[in-house]
Amino acid sequence: EVQLVESGGGLVQPGGSLRLSCVASGFTFSSYQMNWVRQAPGKGLEWISYITSGGNTDHYADSVKGRFAVSRDNAKNSLYLQMNSLRAEDTALYYCVREGHYWFDPWGQGTPVTVSS
Amino acid sequence: QSALTQPRSVSGSPGQSVTISCTGTSSDVGNYNYVSWYQKHPGKAPQLMIYEVDKRPSGVPDRLSGSKSGNTASLTISGLQAEDEADYYCCSYAGSYIYVFGTGTQVTVL
Repeated sequence: EVQLVESGGGLVQPGGSLRLSCVASGFTFSSYQMNWVRQAPGKGLEWISYITSGGNTDHYADSVKGRFAVSRDNAKNSLYLQMNSLRAEDTALYYCVREGHYWFDPWGQGTPVTVSS
Repeated sequence: QSALTQPRSVSGSPGQSVTISCTGTSSDVGNYNYVSWYQKHPGKAPQLMIYEVDKRPSGVPDRLSGSKSGNTASLTISGLQAEDEADYYCCSYAGSYIYVFGTGTQVTVL
């Protein structure tokens, strides 16, 4: 079964940092581009980052550019999101998603991040 | 990177059809046939329903169909069922490895 399991979310103060992890199973992780998508409370889905299968190219939404960094370790079937200079508006459920040919499937269950003092 | 525009809500009785629009620009929806649709039930992860405008993954009922005209994509749910009650989001590739989601539409089965 193809599965993505996120972890690392929690409560952090404004200006703080957090590192999210996503472990993949059931497919050849190193063959797929991966993305992070988030959903703030009561809001819609927001794409925030992309990384190529080899990890050598990454892209970000303007809302997180310069603060967030995506990386991966194909030997550990793992995807990461390093989040720095966190703001209240970064409070959201963060999803790890596998990319097909310009579509996202499957999605993990998400890990919650709350930025508050 | 502005969100694609969707109606906030649509509703229909069981058996009826509803259509959700997704309006973007010539830089995203209008420029690529890479529109996908996702169903999200409360507390659950989103699920892929439609990809590349009008293709259905295996397991998705043929009551769901997608289309596109110009800068607007659409999702139609025919033969509405109680299980279709959920939030639906469109998503479009916008070039340079960037994606943009729609604002989301709540579908209510009356």
